Amino acid sequence: AQSVAQPEDQVNVAEGNPLTVKCTYSVSGNPYLFWYVQYPNRGLQFLLKYITGDNLVKGSYGFEAEFNKSQTSFHLKKPSALVSDSALYFCAVRDSYYGNNRLAFGKGNQVVVIP
Amino acid sequence: GAGVSQTPSNKVTEKGKYVELRCDPISGHTALYWYRQSLGQGPEFLIYFQGTGAADDSGLPNDRFFAVRPEGSVSTLKIQRTERGDSAVYLCASSLHETRFSGANVLTFGAGSRLTVL
Repeated sequence: AQSVAQPEDQVNVAEGNPLTVKCTYSVSGNPYLFWYVQYPNRGLQFLLKYITGDNLVKGSYGFEAEFNKSQTSFHLKKPSALVSDSALYFCAVRDSYYGNNRLAFGKGNQVVVIP
Repeated sequence: GAGVSQTPSNKVTEKGKYVELRCDPISGHTALYWYRQSLGQGPEFLIYFQGTGAADDSGLPNDRFFAVRPEGSVSTLKIQRTERGDSAVYLCASSLHETRFSGANVLTFGAGSRLTVL
């Protein structure tokens, strides 16, 4: 089985402060991990992914995430949040065995960046 | 096309009616996925197509749900005898074909079809 937990419903942060959105995962084997962002009335947009290699992954719009195997976490971070970063963020995982194409998403975190 | 196109964007129907939702993937993307997103939840996998065939339909909730992709491009999700619990946003995504050596492909999502069953 594969699953994701995003423990916080909403993350509030002041503009210019660091932003962290938490994600922990569960898979049987090795994970492929993703972060997507969703703006109102728009589709999910890809931010970044971890497949293998360097644990720190850099993605779009200044976002990065760190893969931590021992803690089974893949927290999303941005050093300095913008008001335009306010959106719904989803972490997703799939077990990496060939032929598995099902992504398991978390319930999402609403990020509110306060001007 | 430039992105994944889904129609209709909104559909309101009555309990018991039949509904079709259409997805037009990015040109050249052989993989197509349907997900369902209920209010306050993350997307939930329904079905995955590689080309014309459904490679994984394990997420379809019951036999009222069916999806086709007859020519390997456009896909239609069909829901028979709709129930109020079917109300959700139905998301379609597409990607390039994934091989053992390509790693995990990125899914490109459409804006979704919001289904409301009264």
